[in-house]
Amino acid sequence: DVKVTQSSRYLVKRTGEKVFLECVQDMDHENMFWYRQDPGLGLRLIYFSYDVKMKEKGDIPEGYSVSREKKERFSLILESASTNQTSMYLCASSHGARGGYTFGSGTRLTVV
Amino acid sequence: KQEVTQIPAALSVPEGENLVLNCSFTDSAIYNLQWFRQDPGKGLTSLLLIQSSQREQTSGRLNASLDKSSGRSTLYIAASQPGDSATYLCAVSKNPGGGNKLTFGTGTQLKVEL
Repeated sequence: DVKVTQSSRYLVKRTGEKVFLECVQDMDHENMFWYRQDPGLGLRLIYFSYDVKMKEKGDIPEGYSVSREKKERFSLILESASTNQTSMYLCASSHGARGGYTFGSGTRLTVV
Repeated sequence: KQEVTQIPAALSVPEGENLVLNCSFTDSAIYNLQWFRQDPGKGLTSLLLIQSSQREQTSGRLNASLDKSSGRSTLYIAASQPGDSATYLCAVSKNPGGGNKLTFGTGTQLKVEL
């Protein structure tokens, strides 16, 4: 069964901490994505990558960075966590220009 | 800028009813449309993927149609069950230079009651 795995289901971090969210896919997909989901705002794209070492800003990249050193792994980094980054973070991957998305189970991040 | 709207925002039906969820999008130049299901506190589960050249896709009790020219899609659920209770999201894909980015609707929250 194909999978997108996010390393943590729940995380609690302190303001100012550097936070790493990890995502791994086993489908050899070129494209990987990070979204955040907030009540009333829906899913918003933070960053995406369509190849190893390639990254593109999404709609809300401020306060985040990403890393893709290997095809199967896409990491989201919060350089200095803030309370307004408390959210559900969802990773996804897809194949080529027309492939459907497969999502991970999400990471609920709380910044206190 | 692509905008995706889902109507209704919430729906409550008795078990056994057939129901239709609606999705509309403003830019018809899409690559594909995908329907997802999301249970509370969980990730998204893909239900159906319709390529731009297709008119519909079926999986079990689910049928999704696509009318690209009018910017509309519907998700038909036959003989609804309490286990169908979830939020249903539609999303459209475009590929402006790399990666097939999805634009999501805000979802329809479905409750199927016994």
